[in-house]
Order: sequence, then C-alpha cells, then structure tokens
Amino acid sequence: DAKTTQPNSMESNEEEPVHLPCNHSTISGTDYIHWYRQLPSQGPEYVIHGLTSNVNNRMASLAIAEDRKSSTLILHRATLRDAAVYYCILRDVSIKGGAQKLVFGQGTRLTINP
Amino acid sequence: DTEVTQTPKHLVMGMTNKKSLKCEQHMGHRAMYWYKQKAKKPPELMFVYSYEKLSINESVPSRFSPECPNSSLLNLHLHALQPEDSALYLCASSHILRARAYNSPLHFGNGTRLTVT
Repeated sequence: DAKTTQPNSMESNEEEPVHLPCNHSTISGTDYIHWYRQLPSQGPEYVIHGLTSNVNNRMASLAIAEDRKSSTLILHRATLRDAAVYYCILRDVSIKGGAQKLVFGQGTRLTINP
Repeated sequence: DTEVTQTPKHLVMGMTNKKSLKCEQHMGHRAMYWYKQKAKKPPELMFVYSYEKLSINESVPSRFSPECPNSSLLNLHLHALQPEDSALYLCASSHILRARAYNSPLHFGNGTRLTVT
C-alpha cells in the first residue's frame, strides 16, 4: 500500500483558512487521493477525493501538485466544528470484488481556536 | 446521525464470553467493512465483504469471526478475546465500484466501544 505522510498536529483560528498538507511520494498513476476526517467520538467521514485536477465541494478544496507527490486539503473558513483528525489516504484501485481497500495513516489532529 | 447503525454502543465482556457486534445499513451498499481503532491511533482495516462474500481478511486472529447474513447486515462474532482487543470497532459500507474511475465514499458508523476484562 502506498504511504502518506502528514504532520501530527496543526492549529488554526476560527474563521481563518486552514491548509493541511499530505506527502505521497510513492503514489502510483492510478491511486486516487482521498481525505476523511474523524470528529471526536464519531466514525470517520468522507471529505473529498481527487486524481489529478484540483477539486472543490461544499466541505473543502483539494489542491494536487502537478507531479502528484503531494496534496493539500483546504478548509476555506474554519469553524470550531472542523476540529478533528484529518486523514489523507491513497485508495488502492486494485479492487477485489468491487470493494475498496482504504488504509488510514496517522492523520493530522487539527485544533481550532475561538 | 449516521446512516450506518452499530449496536451496542458499548460492550464489556470477559475473556471467556461470546458476544456479537452488529452493523446495519439501508443505503443499498453491497460492500461492507470492519475496522478496529485503538485510542489515539488510526482505524485499522480488519475485513471487507463484497456481495455478502468475504473478499479481504487482513490476517485477523480467528477469535474474531465476521458474518454477512444479508446485504444490509454485518456481524462480528467475538470469542475468547484478550484485554488488548479492547478498542473501538467501526463498521462501514459503500457501493460496489464497477470501474476504476468510480468513487463511492465509505460511510462509517460511530462504532462499538469494546472493553475486555
């Protein structure tokens, strides 16, 4: 499984943008980059995914480097509810029977200050 | 509220007990997953089911026995567990991917917190 590297923790202030980096230097051409987050006392939830182009959705934006060896999750205006552990995951496209193999790395614990 | 329901929310069991964790979803997903999460650690994949058949077993000890009786239900049978098996057990589901370009996010439940005494 290709590996991702993220900072252990980051801190930001409410209503400011947050940029969460992820390095994945061994990414293969068919690996999709997925981001999930886990709020306290909850299961992980999907945030966004991409392959090569930058992506936007209602939760966040994903900026992918041209060589695909790194990516950045952008929260445009952080709220206290965004405090969570954020996981950057390379989804294995070698799918067995149509299911997915998502292997979580250590993630980044994001703290939002009021 | 999550669309994947796990019961019970908390479970305390002795090392000689037999218990089961249950997971239910009604989103029409035909892929279902079990993850184990220790405190302050990321979730670790245990089992993956596709069309009610086991497709991935990540070398999990036999004291954990998964079962997928139908497309909406996933069970994890527990027997002769050790204290180090105490953890949060997470269930997830997703659609089956029919092509590499497709995406179907995993939907997670909020887990069962298991304590083995």
